[in-house]
Amino acid sequence: DAGITQSPRHKVTETGTPVTLRCHQTENHRYMYWYRQDPGHGLRLIHYSYGVKDTDKGEVSDGYSVSRSKTEDFLLTLESATSSQTSVYFCAISGVDGATNEKLFFGSGTQLSVL
Amino acid sequence: QKEVEQNSGPLSVPEGAIASLNCTYSDRGSQSFFWYRQYSGKSPELIMSIYSNGDKEDGRFTAQLNKASQYVSLLIRDSQPSDSATYLCAVRSSASKIIFGSGTRLSIRP
Repeated sequence: DAGITQSPRHKVTETGTPVTLRCHQTENHRYMYWYRQDPGHGLRLIHYSYGVKDTDKGEVSDGYSVSRSKTEDFLLTLESATSSQTSVYFCAISGVDGATNEKLFFGSGTQLSVL
Repeated sequence: QKEVEQNSGPLSVPEGAIASLNCTYSDRGSQSFFWYRQYSGKSPELIMSIYSNGDKEDGRFTAQLNKASQYVSLLIRDSQPSDSATYLCAVRSSASKIIFGSGTRLSIRP
């Protein structure tokens, strides 16, 4: 299994509080992604990174920010959590871009509940 | 319009039959196409990737790509109860961005 760890695994927080989710990899992969998964929506891309300090927005980036100060860590921050951000959050990593052995490795997910 | 579209299902197929899953995408510049399987409560895992027009076979799985029609499909032959899962179509729509469809729930009935 790819070395990818998400923390925390579960979190309950209150509306209006800031929340940071961490994705840590030991694979030295270049690309890192944050997705959220809700019933009926599959996986929706929030933000992604293609290198240290290089990030870009995905499909549903409003209300979220990210940072990648070193290769192994990709942080997702909800500046002021809302109930609509209750979801399962997945981090994924990939070492190649467009090559035929391209593959996303997923973390175990973080269940976030905003009350 | 979502960049990647799938029928949400559920799709119910008898054991031993062929399951056919479909996906369309909007970005004509897309180069890489994937099918992921996700069991309930688990993380997605890659089952097939395809990069050029035509068919690609791997065991009981066949991925089909038609770039002109912007269409990707997955066929599962000799369906087994263990194939019951949600199948997610994914497309690399630019240099790094990978977009998923909403997933199709597949149920294999004995």
